[in-house]
Amino acid sequence: KQEVTQIPAALSVPEGENLVLNCSFTDSAIYNLQWFRQDPGKGLTSLLLIQSSQREQTSGRLNASLDKSSGRSTLYIAASQPGDSATYLCAVKGGSEKLVFGKGTKLTVNP
Amino acid sequence: EAQVTQNPRYLITVTGKKLTVTCSQNMNHEYMSWYRQDPGLGLRQIYYSMNVEVTDKGDVPEGYKVSRKEKRNFPLILESPSPNQTSLYFCASRAFASDRSTDTQYFGPGTRLTVL
Repeated sequence: KQEVTQIPAALSVPEGENLVLNCSFTDSAIYNLQWFRQDPGKGLTSLLLIQSSQREQTSGRLNASLDKSSGRSTLYIAASQPGDSATYLCAVKGGSEKLVFGKGTKLTVNP
Repeated sequence: EAQVTQNPRYLITVTGKKLTVTCSQNMNHEYMSWYRQDPGLGLRQIYYSMNVEVTDKGDVPEGYKVSRKEKRNFPLILESPSPNQTSLYFCASRAFASDRSTDTQYFGPGTRLTVL
């Protein structure tokens, strides 16, 4: 059974700092991995999707990498801003129409 | 604007009173899913649908029903709600593409359900 772990559970950084969020999964037989952002009381917003054949994806200040063989992904946020404060979730998709989510990393960027 | 909508956004009800949470998407997506989010447990899939009249169970289907009579709508039905179904519910959708180029999932804003 696929399990997804995100470390740390919470992270607090000063504005401007570069940071890395980690995601690990137990079964490397995945189709893709997706990073989401969740703001309090709101739904999930997709940030980046990496197909199993890809190594990384970039969008603006965000860069996500995938090492399928080791079961790891990282989300790199450059020059963090207070508006980046949110919970970040990673989810992996296997052979069925199901996403398996990690429990998330709650990020706080302090002005 | 492309979106997934859910109604109601907040609902307080009592044990045993049947309820339906609606979900609608305007992107002509084939795939739709329901998830629940609970503290310490994260998001777990309840049911999913690959197209009209095609549904299947996720990880936690007990106590829930779904139907997919139209492509845009995927309602979640609780026939006899119980307090352990108090949760935050999300509907999601995505398009089908053979080259997997459209695997991005789009989520609704969530429905916070409290069963007393």
